[in-house]
Amino acid sequence: SQQGEEDPQALSIQEGENATMNCSYKTSINNLQWYRQNSGRGLVHLILIRSNEREKHSGRLRVTLDTSKKSSSLLITASRAADTASYFCATDAGSNTGKLIFGQGTTLQVKP
Amino acid sequence: EPEVTQTPSHQVTQMGQEVILRCVPISNHLYFYWYRQILGQKVEFLVSFYNNEISEKSEIFDDQFSVERPDGSNFTLKIRSTKLEDSAMYFCASGLDRGSPLHFGNGTRLTVT
Repeated sequence: SQQGEEDPQALSIQEGENATMNCSYKTSINNLQWYRQNSGRGLVHLILIRSNEREKHSGRLRVTLDTSKKSSSLLITASRAADTASYFCATDAGSNTGKLIFGQGTTLQVKP
Repeated sequence: EPEVTQTPSHQVTQMGQEVILRCVPISNHLYFYWYRQILGQKVEFLVSFYNNEISEKSEIFDDQFSVERPDGSNFTLKIRSTKLEDSAMYFCASGLDRGSPLHFGNGTRLTVT
């Protein structure tokens, strides 16, 4: 599999429920980031977690990182219809140029 | 809030033609990138640019591609002789520092016919 693979590929939930997306990666990293993409738009940065951090919160977002398992999860609590989008994890794959390698993404649909 | 702007939003070209995609990164950012996303697929890294030179490029970024920062504000991607498989969304991104979150433009949809 490739660097930054998300699971599940698609997720459909009701408004108010929590959504959990997982990401696995292959190489060592300096940090892992999550981005959101609305249909036909650019990616928007959500949250960054460094390799020496295990958990980070931002509003309704909670990100965990397990470097021993090379995996991360993004939890969106109390989802809203406006959270409907694709979510991507991205790693720097140890690069020193700042480039990010993106996963395939999870398409989240939140039904009102 | 400052943003990355890309023009045009949609470009249609014939196979074999040259195209130039334009980007204005955030003014105090130092690191610049181009990515592409074929419809329904993942976002793929093309090239990173720092200090007026390419710092890293992917296998996709072959001799048909070039980047330039001709002045203090614009950052361009040129495809010399487009192929059908170059049809994709092309995203420009900039970052303040290595490891910083990237700010993306809304992309240019390139259609090669």
